Amino acid sequence: QVQLVESGGGVVQPGRSLRLSCATSGFTFSNYAIYWVRQAPGKGLEWVAVISYDGNNKYHADSVKGRFTISRDNSKNTLYLQMNSLRAEDTAMYHCVRAGGPHYYYYMDVWGKGTTVTVS
Amino acid sequence: QSVLTQPPSVSAAPGQKVTISCSGSNSNIGSNYVSWYQQLPGTAPKLLIYENNKRPSGIPDRFSGSKSGTSATLGITGLQTGDEADYYCGTWDSSLSAVFGTGTKVTVL
Repeated sequence: QVQLVESGGGVVQPGRSLRLSCATSGFTFSNYAIYWVRQAPGKGLEWVAVISYDGNNKYHADSVKGRFTISRDNSKNTLYLQMNSLRAEDTAMYHCVRAGGPHYYYYMDVWGKGTTVTVS
Repeated sequence: QSVLTQPPSVSAAPGQKVTISCSGSNSNIGSNYVSWYQQLPGTAPKLLIYENNKRPSGIPDRFSGSKSGTSATLGITGLQTGDEADYYCGTWDSSLSAVFGTGTKVTVL
């Protein structure tokens, strides 16, 4: 079955860096765009970034632009989120989400359980 | 930060129907497909409706979606206690960003 498993979260001080990973299985990773979506405690969903199937198109939310970078390794079926200059407002559960197709504008099809990032 | 507006909460008795609205603009709902997500307490969101009105396999036909202009609507008929959750609409925006609704909590009375 389709699985997305996030890792790399933890407690980090403001200004420091963290890299999240998302290991996938059960589907042809290189055929799908992938999102990062976060949810702060008690808050709604916030889109963070998306990358197309081939990595050629990447978009980031204004709130993280210049600090976070999404990337993928299709040979390892793995998605990454490099997070630099972390702020308290980046504290959230971070979900890796498969898109419904290869391009960045597709709906969010399958969600991972998430990894928690706490900036304090 | 949410670009799409939803009512904070809706409620109804078991077996009844609820509708959740999602209001946007020409740059998002008006020019792109809408999807809906269900988030049960303590779990990750799940896709409920995609491309305005399509249901993934396994989603019962009690759930339906529609879109008109710059607004979309999620309908839930035959309400069950297991439907108590937060519901979010989502779409793509011409500013090259994905956007979500503010979220609606459904309560079964």
